[in-house]
Amino acid sequence: GAVVSQHPSRVICKSGTSVKIECRSLDFQATTMFWYRQFPKQSLMLMATSNEGSKATYEQGVEKDKFLINHASLTLSTLTVTSAHPEDSSFYICSVRQGLSQPQHFGDGTRLSIL
Amino acid sequence: RKEVEQDPGPFNVPEGATVAFNCTYSNSASQSFFWYRQDCRKEPKLLMSVYSSGNEDGRFTAQLNRASQYISLLIRDSKLSDSATYLCVVTQSSNDYKLSFGAGTTVTVRA
Repeated sequence: GAVVSQHPSRVICKSGTSVKIECRSLDFQATTMFWYRQFPKQSLMLMATSNEGSKATYEQGVEKDKFLINHASLTLSTLTVTSAHPEDSSFYICSVRQGLSQPQHFGDGTRLSIL
Repeated sequence: RKEVEQDPGPFNVPEGATVAFNCTYSNSASQSFFWYRQDCRKEPKLLMSVYSSGNEDGRFTAQLNRASQYISLLIRDSKLSDSATYLCVVTQSSNDYKLSFGAGTTVTVRA
């Protein structure tokens, strides 16, 4: 069964809209969750690491004020793309990991299209 | 240099054929290695972890060569359902949970 639930799976909205994506760990409590972005024909790029009860850790080049991450509980992390623009259109995927050196399990992904 | 590099392919093979491809990684301190499978417009799904001694899971065999810093995946008796993009995934260091992804190798199995 699914380990991670991500919602919504598809979003189409106008430029300037803020979009919230939810990621839930279904099988275990996750103090850490990961947010990735994937552009067509490219590899997944880690955007940020979501830490339960504290601030997210952002990768170089990722604007923390644009991509707001909230990890309020051990099973839920949210990514909000604020004032989205067409260049933010991408496939956003979250993941969880059960322990060090363990594989990560991915949510279904959210395909975001900004018109 | 990219942290993880893969031949993008595509590898077009007939059903029943064997197909193999490699992935190279740049960080010699990497400790964990995985192959994921990603279907078109879907999330990656874990295919198998790669262990130092090499390991097999059904028709899939993974090998790790630390000296040359590459891992390989071999698919025997290819099925149409094996058509996908295979992602090579490596942890960035021994104590870090961060993963580095290759851009993927596309395999197409034809009838």
